[in-house]
Amino acid sequence: KNEVEQSPQNLTAQEGEFITINCSYSVGISALHWLQQHPGGGIVSLFMLSSGKKKHGRLIATINIQEKHSSLHITASHPRDSAVYICAVLLETSGSRLTFGEGTQLTVNP
Amino acid sequence: DGGITQSPKYLFRKEGQNVTLSCEQNLNHDAMYWYRQDPGQGLRLIYYSQIVNDFQKGDIAEGYSVSREKKESFPLTVTSAQKNPTAFYLCASSPRGPSYEQYFGPGTRLTVT
Repeated sequence: KNEVEQSPQNLTAQEGEFITINCSYSVGISALHWLQQHPGGGIVSLFMLSSGKKKHGRLIATINIQEKHSSLHITASHPRDSAVYICAVLLETSGSRLTFGEGTQLTVNP
Repeated sequence: DGGITQSPKYLFRKEGQNVTLSCEQNLNHDAMYWYRQDPGQGLRLIYYSQIVNDFQKGDIAEGYSVSREKKESFPLTVTSAQKNPTAFYLCASSPRGPSYEQYFGPGTRLTVT
């Protein structure tokens, strides 16, 4: 079993829909990252959080440390949001090494 | 502009040849990382370096080698011992320590035939 599980693996939405991507992990962590990978392959960091909630534009990330669960929400989705969204955790015992989920492929249709 | 560069974007090699992937950063970051990405799998750590002249094996280091002679540069050599070298390779960097975001390069897609 992977230490980091994402759901769903694939998600198709219509423009304007509210989207939620989930990430669950099974071990103690220091922080959790949400990353975005575009079709060309480049990866950008969206959020790093260790508690509570962060918001940036239409993106919201939440984390519940007790439940070992995080969600990434996209409000008013747009075709340009189509990408792979990756959850990665910094394990308490791993220093600065990240452990990655397999990613969620999001497609937003116009 | 500050950032991480990887070159080339696409690389083709014949089986049995060693190949070196370039990663350069001008962000003044101490730590650098090499990841491998395969379809349907999460990124996996090959090697990482927390400081110049020091590096550690990641989860899938067999068949790979690295050097860290300069702070800005962390080249990865894919040797002929790597059984399945065809993959997408990503380099990243961060300030030293666990509380920082990692910044990723654009990646190199290596195809070995």
